Amino acid sequence: AQSVTQLDSHVSVSEGTPVLLRCNYSSSYSPSLFWYVQHPNKGLQLLLKYTSAATLVKGINGFEAEFKKSETSFHLTKPSAHMSDAAEYFCVVSDQTGANNLFFGTGTRLTVIP
Amino acid sequence: NAGVTQTPKFQVLKTGQSMTLQCAQDMNHEYMSWYRQDPGMGLRLIHYSVGAGITDQGEVPNGYNVSRSTTEDFPLRLLSAAPSQTSVYFCASSQPPRRGPWNEQFFGPGTRLTVL
Repeated sequence: AQSVTQLDSHVSVSEGTPVLLRCNYSSSYSPSLFWYVQHPNKGLQLLLKYTSAATLVKGINGFEAEFKKSETSFHLTKPSAHMSDAAEYFCVVSDQTGANNLFFGTGTRLTVIP
Repeated sequence: NAGVTQTPKFQVLKTGQSMTLQCAQDMNHEYMSWYRQDPGMGLRLIHYSVGAGITDQGEVPNGYNVSRSTTEDFPLRLLSAAPSQTSVYFCASSQPPRRGPWNEQFFGPGTRLTVL
């Protein structure tokens, strides 16, 4: 079975400082992992995805995530937070053997302090 | 190319009423899914379809029906609405993994449903 655990429900950073949103996964096979972002009252936008091509994945808006199999982690980082990064972030694992269904973490709300 | 569209954007129902949430995609995707989003719980899968005429249950299917008569459309029906179905509903579509290495799901803008 697949699942993800987002270790922080809320992260607060100052503008211009680094961002770290933590995610651990559980999967019985090599997973496909994603980070989605949801701005207030908006739909979901894909930030980046890992599909075993490279362990360090670059996404949009300067975000990156590193797949670490030994730690079963897929943490999301950004060197310098911007006010526009304030949103809800979801770590997601895909069901690759079935209908490509997604299993979501409970989300991390990122607040950026000016 | 509109992507995934959902209607309505907002809806208020009374307990026991029925309604259909509409979802359509113009990307010729085989896979379509419905999720609900509740505070503190992320998104949970309600029903999904791997092609026209084929549907299956997800994690939280009770109280919902679906059908898939065409590739483009995947409506979600609430037969007798309950307050527990107050939520934000998202429709998504994707190609199956066999079509390529990417299995990104594309999400609609959501329908915010309140059941009184």
